[in-house]
Amino acid sequence: KNEVEQSPQNLTAQEGEFITINCSYSVGISALHWLQQHPGGGIVSLFMLSSGKKKHGRLIATINIQEKHSSLHITASHPRDSAVYICAVLSGGSQGNLIFGKGTKLSVKP
Amino acid sequence: DGGITQSPKYLFRKEGQNVTLSCEQNLNHDAMYWYRQDPGQGLRLIYYSQIVNDFQKGDIAEGYSVSREKKESFPLTVTSAQKNPTAFYLCASSIWYWGSTEAFFGQGTRLTVV
Repeated sequence: KNEVEQSPQNLTAQEGEFITINCSYSVGISALHWLQQHPGGGIVSLFMLSSGKKKHGRLIATINIQEKHSSLHITASHPRDSAVYICAVLSGGSQGNLIFGKGTKLSVKP
Repeated sequence: DGGITQSPKYLFRKEGQNVTLSCEQNLNHDAMYWYRQDPGQGLRLIYYSQIVNDFQKGDIAEGYSVSREKKESFPLTVTSAQKNPTAFYLCASSIWYWGSTEAFFGQGTRLTVV
């Protein structure tokens, strides 16, 4: 069993829809990251969370430490949001070796 | 503009040849990382360096080598000992070890060995 599981693997949405991507993990963590990988391959860091909720523009990330679960929400989705979204966790006590999920491929249709 | 630059974007090499991938950052970050990405797989750590002249093996270091002679540069050599080198390679940097801080990524190098 993978230590970091993302769902769904693939997601197709219509422009304007509310989108949720989930990340579950099985290890104790000190931080969780959400990353966005563009079709060309470049990666951008979206959020780093250790508790609660963060918001940036149309993106919202939440984490529930007790349930070992995080969600990434996109409100009013747009075709430019089409990308692979990756969840990564830093297990407690680790010095920088993150555990990555396999990613969720999102396609937003106009 | 500050950032992290990988070159080249695409690289083709014959089997049995060593090849070096470049990674340069002007963010004054101490830590730098190399990851490998294969289709349908999560990123896997090859090597990382938290300070000049020091680096550590990651999960899949066999067949790879690195150097960190300057703070801003962390080149990765894919040697002929790497059994399956065709992959997408990403370099990243962070102020300190990036589990607890944000990381910045390069645009990646797609290596194809024929």
